[in-house]
Amino acid sequence: GAVVSQHPSWVICKSGTSVKIECRSLDFQATTMFWYRQFPKQSLMLMATSNEGSKATYEQGVEKDKFLINHASLTLSTLTVTSAHPEDSSFYICSARDGGPNSPLHFGNGTRLTVT
Amino acid sequence: AQSVTQLDSQVPVFEEAPVELRCNYSSSVSVYLFWYVQYPNQGLQLLLKYLSGSTLVKGINGFEAEFNKSQTSFHLRKPSVHISDTAEYFCAVRRYGKLIFGQGTELSVKP
Repeated sequence: GAVVSQHPSWVICKSGTSVKIECRSLDFQATTMFWYRQFPKQSLMLMATSNEGSKATYEQGVEKDKFLINHASLTLSTLTVTSAHPEDSSFYICSARDGGPNSPLHFGNGTRLTVT
Repeated sequence: AQSVTQLDSQVPVFEEAPVELRCNYSSSVSVYLFWYVQYPNQGLQLLLKYLSGSTLVKGINGFEAEFNKSQTSFHLRKPSVHISDTAEYFCAVRRYGKLIFGQGTELSVKP
């Protein structure tokens, strides 16, 4: 089956530094990838939609300059949390789609970010 | 707009008992509904989905769900749960290619 690999699985960084999270589709080409954020005991909130070769589309309330998304190839999207602060600590999950809007979504295993 | 409401935040149940996790949706157009399971510190795994056709959908791990248009519900059921079913369960609706998730239901199976 389709596999999405997310790296790292967890990361601890100091306040003010930047952190990059990678999302890779291992056995399919992902035309579209999605980035979600999940707070403890809460649901997944869609942050942005990433299309290969174009700018990401951010959901309302998500800071574009804070959460930089790059989808440079059909198998890789990255999320960079810039100038991280403790309130950015969260579980970030990516998902990837290998076709049009009705294609199945495949999820990565998530990245636990802790900002100290 | 489409939204999803999961009526129970926590559902404790004993092993081998039946369970129902409730999900209601609101939509004025055709709906595509999903149930996902999330184990601790992991991503989401698709349990089942309803796109069209039969309203009773069977998924993995012995789960099934029934799409009820008149009640705008898509409840998840399992006739006999196992300890290993302990996890967070999310109902979701697809809108313009994006998944919108409910608040989640924590299923806790006790021996």
